[in-house]
Amino acid sequence: KQEVTQIPAALSVPEGENLVLNCSFTDSAIYNLQWFRQDPGKGLTSLLLIQSSQREQTSGRLNASLDKSSGRSTLYIAASQPGDSATYLCAPGANNLFFGTGTRLTVIP
Amino acid sequence: GAGVSQTPSNKVTEKGKYVELRCDPISGHTALYWYRQSLGQGPEFLIYFQGTGAADDSGLPNDRFFAVRPEGSVSTLKIQRTERGDSAVYLCASSLGARGNTDTQYFGPGTRLTVL
Repeated sequence: KQEVTQIPAALSVPEGENLVLNCSFTDSAIYNLQWFRQDPGKGLTSLLLIQSSQREQTSGRLNASLDKSSGRSTLYIAASQPGDSATYLCAPGANNLFFGTGTRLTVIP
Repeated sequence: GAGVSQTPSNKVTEKGKYVELRCDPISGHTALYWYRQSLGQGPEFLIYFQGTGAADDSGLPNDRFFAVRPEGSVSTLKIQRTERGDSAVYLCASSLGARGNTDTQYFGPGTRLTVL
């Protein structure tokens, strides 16, 4: 069974800082990997999807990389803003997605 | 366009009762997924539909849980003889489903189920 670990579990940074969230997974037989954000009491918002054949994807201030062979992905957030405060979840996927417990990010104004 | 919608947003029931949770996927999405999220945890896969058929139901915890998608659009998750441990947020997601499930999954807001 796919196991997903996200480090750190929680992160607090001042506004404007660049930061990296880490994700590792145990089974490299995946089709893709998605990064999501989840605000308290809300559903999941898709941020980026990386296909298994790709190495990275970019969307605005977000950049996600994937190293399938080593079972790792990172999410880089540039120039963080208070509105980025949320829990970030990575989810490697085959027919369904597998989730870790996420990284809870707080950006301090 | 409209996203994934789920009803009800909240459901409180008593132990032993039967509940139905509804999911309306994004129009045109052939793949539909159900997940369950307990407090402080990431979502956990329950079942995946491709069209009308359940392509993978390996995540359903036991035979009290059942889901249908009779016309390939709306899906209903049914839970019989509810137990307190069933309390969680039930999330539904959909995707185009056109490329062997390499597509983005879009999630609904969830149904918070509380079993007293």
